[in-house]
Amino acid sequence: DTGVSQNPRHKITKRGQNVTFRCDPISEHNRLYWYRQTLGQGPEFLTYFQNEAQLEKSRLLSDRFSAERPKGSFSTLEIQRTEQGDSAMYLCASIEGSGTEAFFGQGTRLTVV
Amino acid sequence: QQPVQSPQAVILREGEDAVINCSSSKALYSVHWYRQKHGEAPVFLMILLKGGEQKGHEKISASFNEKKQQSSLYLTASQLSYSGTYFCGTPRDGSSNTGKLIFGQGTTLQVKP
Repeated sequence: DTGVSQNPRHKITKRGQNVTFRCDPISEHNRLYWYRQTLGQGPEFLTYFQNEAQLEKSRLLSDRFSAERPKGSFSTLEIQRTEQGDSAMYLCASIEGSGTEAFFGQGTRLTVV
Repeated sequence: QQPVQSPQAVILREGEDAVINCSSSKALYSVHWYRQKHGEAPVFLMILLKGGEQKGHEKISASFNEKKQQSSLYLTASQLSYSGTYFCGTPRDGSSNTGKLIFGQGTTLQVKP
């Protein structure tokens, strides 16, 4: 257990539905990252928060994706109008201040049918 | 530009040694190594910084050749617990942000009794 919690662990949804994932980082970590991982590949960076501010979004994060981190604590990632290509593991990671070690959660596995 | 890892897969007997390589076409500020076991979160192993500084776990060693833009991870006297997929990550866009990484495709290591 890395201390980063993600819910749900698994989500199966029909194409076109909206889904929301939650990440609870380690409490003193002000930096939070979302990654997506497909089978047999390394994680791909999606977006980054410092406290409550979303500082960067990858081109992978289309208009259907939105992420928030209200009050600089937990974060949510929402996918609207899901497509089969969205099926992947969505990972959250947090880092404290000027630290170098990212602590990853176990991820939410999304399957779009 | 995604770093390239080699080999793609390694099978070892307990006690044997292995080397995993990571190459980048871009100048590197740092190289990060993570291990991910099946169904689990990626776990930080080591970071190597430009200038030779290393931060990581005691039983794993690594090298970082800045000129060649390469890093190698050395696993000596392997144990069953070393099994998993190893990822190297390099900062996106030459950033010093240690959470915004581009990961290689991974090297799967299997240690057999």
